[in-house]
Amino acid sequence: AQSVSQHNHHVILSEAASLELGCNYSYGGTVNLFWYVQYPGQHLQLLLKYFSGDPLVKGIKGFEAEFIKSKFSFNLRKPSVQWSDTAEYFCAVNYGQNFVFGPGTRLSVLP
Amino acid sequence: EPEVTQTPSHQVTQMGQEVILRCVPISNHLYFYWYRQILGQKVEFLVSFYNNEISEKSEIFDDQFSVERPDGSNFTLKIRSTKLEDSAMYFCASRLQRKETQYFGPGTRLLVL
Repeated sequence: AQSVSQHNHHVILSEAASLELGCNYSYGGTVNLFWYVQYPGQHLQLLLKYFSGDPLVKGIKGFEAEFIKSKFSFNLRKPSVQWSDTAEYFCAVNYGQNFVFGPGTRLSVLP
Repeated sequence: EPEVTQTPSHQVTQMGQEVILRCVPISNHLYFYWYRQILGQKVEFLVSFYNNEISEKSEIFDDQFSVERPDGSNFTLKIRSTKLEDSAMYFCASRLQRKETQYFGPGTRLLVL
């Protein structure tokens, strides 16, 4: 069965620290990859997506992610986090019509 | 910017009761989805819907669940006889084509007592 794993359950950083959240998926042929963010009390919002082409994709709010096919990974990065980045981050993989979400990583940024 | 809307935002029901969660996808979108997120857990796929029929469903989507697109704009999820474990946030999503982003609605928080 297709699955998505995220390396960290909870990450705590100080403002201006660099962020990297890991995401790995099980092999399933051609996939499309996404990172969604869920701010407290809000719904899922798309941060960035990868369909094809340049494996380094840039999203909103200074986030970027790198697709490494050989490692089945799609890690999310941000060079300098802000307090407002405190949220839950979900990696998602699109297999055909289905979307499979990772378990989420809670990011807490301390002011 | 067009968005997916869901009603109600919150619903409280007694165990065994039927509930209908409503979604209005983005108007020209063709693919529709329901997901749920139990508090503190990950988002789980329930069902996808295309061309007026279910195209894929998960193990969670058993006989107690059904979906309908009754009038070309609404997309509903019905739970026939709710259980305590159905308490969750239910998200609707839609997208235009298969190789496009899904857009999520704000969710309906369902509490089964």
